[in-house]
Amino acid sequence: DTGVSQNPRHKITKRGQNVTFRCDPISEHNRLYWYRQTLGQGPEFLTYFQNEAQLEKSRLLSDRFSAERPKGSFSTLEIQRTEQGDSAMYLCASSPPSEGGYTFGSGTRLTVV
Amino acid sequence: GDSVTQMEGPVTLSEEAFLTINCTYTATGYPSLFWYVQYPGEGLQLLLKATKADDKGSNKGFEATYRKETTSFHLEKGSVQVSDSAVYFCALLGGSNYQLIWGAGTKLIIKP
Repeated sequence: DTGVSQNPRHKITKRGQNVTFRCDPISEHNRLYWYRQTLGQGPEFLTYFQNEAQLEKSRLLSDRFSAERPKGSFSTLEIQRTEQGDSAMYLCASSPPSEGGYTFGSGTRLTVV
Repeated sequence: GDSVTQMEGPVTLSEEAFLTINCTYTATGYPSLFWYVQYPGEGLQLLLKATKADDKGSNKGFEATYRKETTSFHLEKGSVQVSDSAVYFCALLGGSNYQLIWGAGTKLIIKP
């Protein structure tokens, strides 16, 4: 297993377009997380899955954001009608059932022009 | 609510200097504590962790001890290298048991 994989690494899109990112977690990890990070800041929690169930979604997340993990394996994060303020690094992480800290992917850098 | 406070950066040191990056936390109960490192243009990597009081996490010459009495988890390294230049984040996993609470990060610059 090569760790948490995120695709694409970079995405440039025009304002108003929809984008979708994919995350493949470590196979034995049942917990999956999405975070957003802007330059010079720490990561901001977006949402959390345990297996296929989305158990928590940040109140800061607008309705334009949606995430799925249909079979409890990979996950997708979709942003509809992108805005320039959505430009950020989107990070996915996974963790095993027992407490132990996350393993992060390399992230998807989104630029909205 | 739970929170993490880190010393502000950037921290600039010469190679082979001793490093301390301060981290204190506020949490109910007994959180697990972590240090993550982010190299330029890369994602976050777990550097070390401690899950209970007096535990010492260590990795790659870095150490941090979970001090419950001072609610601290300071990161130390005896002799830094240029390759240690990165942003270091302190984080805790508290009562929610799934959401990491992050410090703002400390940028470390090591000069040859």
